[in-house]
Amino acid sequence: AQSVTQPDIHITVSEGASLELRCNYSYGATPYLFWYVQSPGQGLQLLLKYFSGDTLVQGIKGFEAEFKRSQSSFNLRKPSVHWSDAAEYFCAVVISGGYNKLIFGAGTRLAVHP
Amino acid sequence: GAGVSQTPSNKVTEKGKYVELRCDPISGHTALYWYRQSLGQGPEFLIYFQGTGAADDSGLPNDRFFAVRPEGSVSTLKIQRTERGDSAVYLCASSMTSGGDEQFFGPGTRLTVL
Repeated sequence: AQSVTQPDIHITVSEGASLELRCNYSYGATPYLFWYVQSPGQGLQLLLKYFSGDTLVQGIKGFEAEFKRSQSSFNLRKPSVHWSDAAEYFCAVVISGGYNKLIFGAGTRLAVHP
Repeated sequence: GAGVSQTPSNKVTEKGKYVELRCDPISGHTALYWYRQSLGQGPEFLIYFQGTGAADDSGLPNDRFFAVRPEGSVSTLKIQRTERGDSAVYLCASSMTSGGDEQFFGPGTRLTVL
């Protein structure tokens, strides 16, 4: 069965530092890949997605992610974190060719120190 | 227009009671999804509607859970004989179509079963 692993449950970074959140998926073919952010009291918001083509995708709020087929990974990065980035981040996959039944990882909670 | 809305935002009920959770998708969105997010976990797929019909209900945990979307817009998730293990945040999402379009999530309904 398809699965998504986010190895880091909780990450703390200093404001202005760079960030990388890890995501690995388990699926035979290339899935559609997504990163969502969830802030307290707010709904999930899509940061970026990968369907095909360029393996480095740009998203909103200065985030980017790189798809690496050989590592079955889709890590999220940001060069300089802002205090407002503190939230929970979810990686998700969809089986390519199917409808958007999202399979989420358990999430990584990001804390930002001033 | 407005985003996805869900009512109530919070619901506290007693074990064994019946509850209904409502989702108003974005106008014109044909695809609607329900997910359940337990504490410390990522959302888990429950059911997907394309128009009025449930195209995939494979995520519903058991026959106490049922969902409808009679006119192809508003959806109601119904839980009979609630159990403490049903306590979670129930998320609704909608998308323009089912194939690869972004899912827009509502803020969720937090269900607590005492």
